[in-house]
Amino acid sequence: AQTVTQSQPEMSVQEAETVTLSCTYDTSENNYYLFWYKQPPSRQMILVIRQEAYKQQNATENRFSVNFQKAAKSFSLKISDSQLGDTAMYFCAFMTHSGAGSYQLTFGKGTKLSVIP
Amino acid sequence: NAGVTQTPKFQVLKTGQSMTLQCAQDMNHEYMSWYRQDPGMGLRLIHYSVGAGITDQGEVPNGYNVSRSTTEDFPLRLLSAAPSQTSVYFCASSRQGRATFGSGTRLTVV
Repeated sequence: AQTVTQSQPEMSVQEAETVTLSCTYDTSENNYYLFWYKQPPSRQMILVIRQEAYKQQNATENRFSVNFQKAAKSFSLKISDSQLGDTAMYFCAFMTHSGAGSYQLTFGKGTKLSVIP
Repeated sequence: NAGVTQTPKFQVLKTGQSMTLQCAQDMNHEYMSWYRQDPGMGLRLIHYSVGAGITDQGEVPNGYNVSRSTTEDFPLRLLSAAPSQTSVYFCASSRQGRATFGSGTRLTVV
């Protein structure tokens, strides 16, 4: 079974600054996907960024980038130039690529990020 | 362009009542799932389906039933609601490593 650990229940950052959210995971799989989801107060689950495990290059999406360390099973999210709209819960998630439970997600417990004006 | 549609958005049940949470997707995805979200727990997998006629249990299946008679629909049934089932429920469909979520159902059991 896979596990995902987010060790920071809450974080805060000043507007326009950079913040990094941590995530570690445990799996015996070799092919998988990793995600960061954003959940604002509207509770909608919004995909922030996606990483395929076989790709060594770190994924980036505008102000969002990841540091994917496969050997260390680490997948941190960096938010640059933080904006007030980034205030939300952030969930790290793991998706298997094959076998029983394929394409189902295992989530961490989340990090509540507050961007301070 | 609907994606994943969940109904209802809010529901209050009395202990012992039954109800069905509806989930429909129009993307022809084979994989569909139900998750529940509780404070401090993240989202946990209740049941999932890898195609019409095939379902399996996730991490927290007790008290819930599912069926998958068509590719599009994946309803979640609570047979006898309990206060422990107060939660926010999400349906998702997946294909090739991409998941799309519904907008969620906030269920309160009193």
